[in-house]
Amino acid sequence: GQQVMQIPQYQHVQEGEDFTTYCNSSTTLSNIQWYKQRPGGHPVFLIQLVKSGEVKKQKRLTFQFGEAKKNSSLHITATQTTDVGTYFCAGPDSGNTPLVFGKGTRLSVIA
Amino acid sequence: NAGVTQTPKFQVLKTGQSMTLQCAQDMNHEYMSWYRQDPGMGLRLIHYSVGAGITDQGEVPNGYNVSRSTTEDFPLRLLSAAPSQTSVYFCASSYQRRNYGYTFGSGTRLTVV
Repeated sequence: GQQVMQIPQYQHVQEGEDFTTYCNSSTTLSNIQWYKQRPGGHPVFLIQLVKSGEVKKQKRLTFQFGEAKKNSSLHITATQTTDVGTYFCAGPDSGNTPLVFGKGTRLSVIA
Repeated sequence: NAGVTQTPKFQVLKTGQSMTLQCAQDMNHEYMSWYRQDPGMGLRLIHYSVGAGITDQGEVPNGYNVSRSTTEDFPLRLLSAAPSQTSVYFCASSYQRRNYGYTFGSGTRLTVV
């Protein structure tokens, strides 16, 4: 079945530095979703990308969907301590199964 | 507030005991699912349901049972708890299994001793 791979697994940054996490799929995705999970919390839906090459922004967060619809990225500009958490990408398998989640990138921000 | 409600938040079980984790949503979502989250393993799908009366297995279904008698409720039953089932369990719901964002409950932290 489809696999969704995320890199890096961990990232430590100084507050104010930028951060990027990447998501790669073994198959073409009809859409890609991103979630954030704060420490001790539950995953929260951030955004869904559908179109090839799509770019969406939410304040300091920029989400991109690759032209081939096999990869995606999340970029955070000038990280803040409130950005701490694990970021997951998820996409539907080629069959009719539910979303497949990547293992996540854990971000820690050093003040 | 609208959302997904999970109970209990914490539970300690002895090996061999059975229990039911409750999940309820009030958003009229057709799709509901259960995940377990273990360190370094991400979110692994246990069981899911695309509507009342319809359930299917996910990636790690062994040792768990589900049923969906109403649109709102999707309980997860542990038949005979084992230490390997120590984990954090999340229930999630959505309008559809693939093309809409999921709403997650706050989770149940389960320890089996």
